Amino acid sequence: SQTIHQWPATLVQPVGSPLSLECTVEGTSNPNLYWYRQAAGRGLQLLFYSVGIGQISSEVPQNLSASRPQDRQFILSSKKLLLSDSGFYLCAWSVTAAGGPALTGELFFGEGSRLTVL
Amino acid sequence: LAKTTQPISMDSYEGQEVNITCSHNNIATNDYITWYQQFPSQGPRFIIQGYKTKVTNEVASLFIPADRKSSTLSLPRVSLSDTAVYYCLVGDIWSGGYNKLIFGAGTRLAVHP
Repeated sequence: SQTIHQWPATLVQPVGSPLSLECTVEGTSNPNLYWYRQAAGRGLQLLFYSVGIGQISSEVPQNLSASRPQDRQFILSSKKLLLSDSGFYLCAWSVTAAGGPALTGELFFGEGSRLTVL
Repeated sequence: LAKTTQPISMDSYEGQEVNITCSHNNIATNDYITWYQQFPSQGPRFIIQGYKTKVTNEVASLFIPADRKSSTLSLPRVSLSDTAVYYCLVGDIWSGGYNKLIFGAGTRLAVHP
């Protein structure tokens, strides 16, 4: 079966410090990968998506970046955090059109990483 | 991508049927309609997906009229554990070999005893 894991689960960082959130997927190959952010009481904002190793598309310009060094690994980073970066970060994966466990474009989400920037 | 509009919040009581309607007036021919459920501090969870007419699974039904400009998620006999935020998403799930489903603010459902 397929699983997705994110870490750390919670993080408290000072303004100006770096950030690294990691996400890994197991049990599938060549997944589409996504990073979302959710501010308190708000909907999900798509930050980045990736269709393959080294292929990253950004939806919102900001001080965050993403990388996909391996097929099933997705990393969200920042060199200098801002107060506005606080939020609940969610990694997700979906199968590509070529096939996989799901017959739809269903997104499978990780447990989330709650970031507080002070 | 088609924009969706759904109520910000709804209230219900245990045992009642809840219907949440989503408007998507500019839905495209290749777009599917997908609903997700999210509990606090968790990632959203897929509930149901459809293209047209009616779809039913073990947890919900999805009604889609012929013009596909709206859809209604129906939750039969809700319980307190159905208190959550429900998102309606519309998109071409196979566009370009990948999908980018956009989450709006969702509908916050509160089920009362």
